[in-house]
Amino acid sequence: SQQGEEDPQALSIQEGENATMNCSYKTSINNLQWYRQNSGRGLVHLILIRSNEREKHSGRLRVTLDTSKKSSSLLITASRAADTASYFCATDDETSGSRLTFGEGTQLTVNP
Amino acid sequence: DGGITQSPKYLFRKEGQNVTLSCEQNLNHDAMYWYRQDPGQGLRLIYYSQIVNDFQKGDIAEGYSVSREKKESFPLTVTSAQKNPTAFYLCASSIDGTYDISNQPQHFGDGTRLSIL
Repeated sequence: SQQGEEDPQALSIQEGENATMNCSYKTSINNLQWYRQNSGRGLVHLILIRSNEREKHSGRLRVTLDTSKKSSSLLITASRAADTASYFCATDDETSGSRLTFGEGTQLTVNP
Repeated sequence: DGGITQSPKYLFRKEGQNVTLSCEQNLNHDAMYWYRQDPGQGLRLIYYSQIVNDFQKGDIAEGYSVSREKKESFPLTVTSAQKNPTAFYLCASSIDGTYDISNQPQHFGDGTRLSIL
């Protein structure tokens, strides 16, 4: 069953704009991770945020986590054409703790 | 450079044939994983291994088999019992094979695309 679900499914913006992607999940988690996938390639890990953290930054990326709403958001500021990719959230399950469940992803297109 | 190497990049399977996808890592990671990705979808876990000579079924293990005889290698066999094998297969690893493997980033190879002839 799907644990994380991203929203929107697809997002198209102009270079320089900010992009926000959301992830909702169903059960309690220990941590949530965001990954990026360029077309035809493997996934690249972006950020891991733990359940006791509310916000985390890495360069132009900002991730927030609201465990009361069971949701997370990924913000990419000042987007570039090279940010064009699919973005996935992945969550664990607090009870099993042994695997990640990936959402279906948001396809981001940044137009030059 | 350390990383995960998947081969081949493209693979074609004939009816009734078993095929094996290779995954090798030189990151000295304990845990390794196999995922299946269908077009426009997320990843589904097939098998994972937290330590050499041990592996666990994921959510969609039927029609697949694995082995973990060496730390560096985690080959996946797609058997003839897998009736819909056409997909993009991704191998990943993470550093620590202890119980809470979900608390670690995973490093991915660049995938093998499997198609039916």
